[in-house]
Amino acid sequence: DTEVTQTPKHLVMGMTNKKSLKCEQHMGHRAMYWYKQKAKKPPELMFVYSYEKLSINESVPSRFSPECPNSSLLNLHLHALQPEDSALYLCASSQDGSGRGRETQYFGPGTRLLVL
Amino acid sequence: QKEVEQDPGPLSVPEGAIVSLNCTYSNSAFQYFMWYRQYSRKGPELLMYTYSSGNKEDGRFTAQVDKSSKYISLFIRDSQPSDSATYLCAMRGVTGANNLFFGTGTRLTVIP
Repeated sequence: DTEVTQTPKHLVMGMTNKKSLKCEQHMGHRAMYWYKQKAKKPPELMFVYSYEKLSINESVPSRFSPECPNSSLLNLHLHALQPEDSALYLCASSQDGSGRGRETQYFGPGTRLLVL
Repeated sequence: QKEVEQDPGPLSVPEGAIVSLNCTYSNSAFQYFMWYRQYSRKGPELLMYTYSSGNKEDGRFTAQVDKSSKYISLFIRDSQPSDSATYLCAMRGVTGANNLFFGTGTRLTVIP
């Protein structure tokens, strides 16, 4: 089973709202990722968690706040977003983030976010 | 210069054609090469995974890596309308699975 699930599939929010995106995997992976993808562009890495600890923050604005409650779950808390934050938000997971062997990332279906 | 270059297309072919998708890269440290398929408004799906140089075949799909030329290819034989999607190449070095470098993606349409 190489499934990563994400909820919700679609989200519309105003600039003053607070919302959360959720991601779950049951592959026993210890590294989880958040990406942002704009139309016709490749995914851009936002955050990496390894063993439930934040290991990479790619200079993401503080209005995006990640959380990793346990090894299977990853959340992205959203607050005071801007219209330019509208995008497809992808979650991914991999074995442990070390890159040893043939470790690779498996992506979820994404949450399509629209900020009005 | 971008780390990974990929022709964005779009590419349109008739059903049954052989499709060739390509990426070039500049970093000689890249050792692991992947092809992801992304349908419209969906997440990327891992299609092929290759280590170092050589070929890998899986059904109608063949991935080739030429490290001496820093060039990778994905061939699709007997293309089907269901192959219509954006194909992203991705690659990384020997450490840090998080350090994936993506191409911009090639949008493919297979016409019935």
